[in-house]
Amino acid sequence: DAKTTQPTSMDCAEGRAANLPCNHSTISGNEYVYWYRQIHSQGPQYIIHGLKNNETNEMASLIITEDRKSSTLILPHATLRDTAVYYCIVSEDNAGNMLTFGGGTRLMVKP
Amino acid sequence: SQTIHQWPATLVQPVGSPLSLECTVEGTSNPNLYWYRQAAGRGLQLLFYSVGIGQISSEVPQNLSASRPQDRQFILSSKKLLLSDSGFYLCAWSVGTQYFGPGTRLTVL
Repeated sequence: DAKTTQPTSMDCAEGRAANLPCNHSTISGNEYVYWYRQIHSQGPQYIIHGLKNNETNEMASLIITEDRKSSTLILPHATLRDTAVYYCIVSEDNAGNMLTFGGGTRLMVKP
Repeated sequence: SQTIHQWPATLVQPVGSPLSLECTVEGTSNPNLYWYRQAAGRGLQLLFYSVGIGQISSEVPQNLSASRPQDRQFILSSKKLLLSDSGFYLCAWSVGTQYFGPGTRLTVL
């Protein structure tokens, strides 16, 4: 059974913020939320992860709801190079050792 | 800094031929190592993972095998390839967060 639900695809205008939602309503207290992305024909790239507090790094921000049943990945100023499949993954391993990838969201950034 | 290498980048093999894909990691010690496969248009499927030299766990039974002869070397093999073995093979490593290599695109004809 999939632990996360993501929209199949989304569009975003170049320069605007891209907000990618993820539902994980069955998440347990010790499970982390990870985000990766995969640009066509490349290996997945780690973006960010968090437990319950919001997180920010040089690539993106991760907003986790207070009940932890959903989260949003925010790319503040999307560029054409951000076009990729974005995967939201729930894992109880803080080291990210055991990741189960679902279908992800195909984000298309348009000029 | 840590880097991960995979080769070859692309490979075309006939059905029934053997396979050997290699993955090496630099800049870290005693990493966990992983092999994933991604069929065309599909998500990633974990095939094998290893927590140390000679220690291999298989997630999916099939005609593939993995070996870890050295701390930072992970090899994926097959004695006889099937058409269904075609796909994008990814190696990954972790000491903390998991990081992926560039992948090998295998086409079995």
